[in-house]
Amino acid sequence: DTGVSQNPRHKITKRGQNVTFRCDPISEHNRLYWYRQTLGQGPEFLTYFQNEAQLEKSRLLSDRFSAERPKGSFSTLEIQRTEQGDSAMYLCASSLVGTDEQYFGPGTRLTVT
Amino acid sequence: EDQVTQSPEALRLQEGESSSLNCSYTVSGLRGLFWYRQDPGKGPEFLFTLYSAGEEKEKERLKATLTKKESFLHITAPKPEDSATYLCAVPFPGRSTLGRLYFGRGTQLTVWP
Repeated sequence: DTGVSQNPRHKITKRGQNVTFRCDPISEHNRLYWYRQTLGQGPEFLTYFQNEAQLEKSRLLSDRFSAERPKGSFSTLEIQRTEQGDSAMYLCASSLVGTDEQYFGPGTRLTVT
Repeated sequence: EDQVTQSPEALRLQEGESSSLNCSYTVSGLRGLFWYRQDPGKGPEFLFTLYSAGEEKEKERLKATLTKKESFLHITAPKPEDSATYLCAVPFPGRSTLGRLYFGRGTQLTVWP
């Protein structure tokens, strides 16, 4: 499968714990995006990378959230001291510089209890 | 103020009953409008990109059109497998690159046999 992959697919955690999600983009894509989606809403932008550089961050990305893309390949999104309001689907997408279409992975469903 | 508004929120069609979904946008200097399909529990699947008023694109039973104020996704003779949430998105205005996308809330389409 050559699409965007995300792991884990589901994560249940207790409030206050830290969680980390991984995204592997389509191999030749040099842009990588993170979005968050809650029930009944469209995806909301969190941040994006071009190669290893983080080019833009949303105000939604509080100081409890951090994203990295070492070596411009896979990316991780970490949430520290999780809160119930963090429960959502976290989506990763990738694209190729010079093209506009973003291709999404299957998402990681986070439930904070 | 919402940049993208989709209507209706939900649509039920009988198999074979054609209809249209609407996406209106308020961003100025539109640099592309994107349509995605999303099945429950999955990431959005890219369908179309439209760039200029009058442009049309087709894929199987779907046809997307664009005017200066809105886009339509026409579904001709739908089948039950077309049931999904259809999302439209536009790039944030004023950005030098087509990075973040602003999504509408989607139209949940149900096609019954």
